[in-house]
Amino acid sequence: AQSVTQLDSHVSVSEGTPVLLRCNYSSSYSPSLFWYVQHPNKGLQLLLKYTSAATLVKGINGFEAEFKKSETSFHLTKPSAHMSDAAEYFCVVTKINRDDKIIFGKGTRLHILP
Amino acid sequence: KAGVTQTPRYLIKTRGQQVTLSCSPISGHRSVSWYQQTPGQGLQFLFEYFSETQRNKGNFPGRFSGRQFSNSRSEMNVSTLELGDSALYLCASSLVWADTQYFGPGTRLTVL
Repeated sequence: AQSVTQLDSHVSVSEGTPVLLRCNYSSSYSPSLFWYVQHPNKGLQLLLKYTSAATLVKGINGFEAEFKKSETSFHLTKPSAHMSDAAEYFCVVTKINRDDKIIFGKGTRLHILP
Repeated sequence: KAGVTQTPRYLIKTRGQQVTLSCSPISGHRSVSWYQQTPGQGLQFLFEYFSETQRNKGNFPGRFSGRQFSNSRSEMNVSTLELGDSALYLCASSLVWADTQYFGPGTRLTVL
């Protein structure tokens, strides 16, 4: 079985400070992991994707995520938050195998304080 | 390339009616997935079509159905609408199943 847990439903940071959005997963196979972002009243957009090529994945808009197999984590970070980063972020795990599934986390809403 | 398009963007229906939503994937993408997004349940997978065949299905009642045409365009139908069906319905396309998904802007369905 596979699942994904986003540990915080809401995160608030001040503009210019670091962002950390936490995601833990469980998978019986080697998963592919994604982070998507959804701005208000918009569809989801891919931020970054991990598929075992490198444990540190760089995405768009300065975001990056590190795959840590020993901790079964795929946390999303950004060194310096910008007001435009305010959005909802989804961690996603997929299992590329005979019984493929796509599992979305519940989402983390990121608030940026001026 | 044009992105994923969904029509209509907004829809208001009453209980008991049925509704059909449409999704046009990115050119060349053969996999189309549908999701329901609500504040309470989050994003839930409805079903996925590839080459006109439904290959994966989430845990939704039979009132929710879909199909895919030979040009990869997909439709989703909900019959006998209930108040709880009010949601944002998102369509996503990808080259292959479970790869990077490209989402449309969604159709906001309100059931009165």
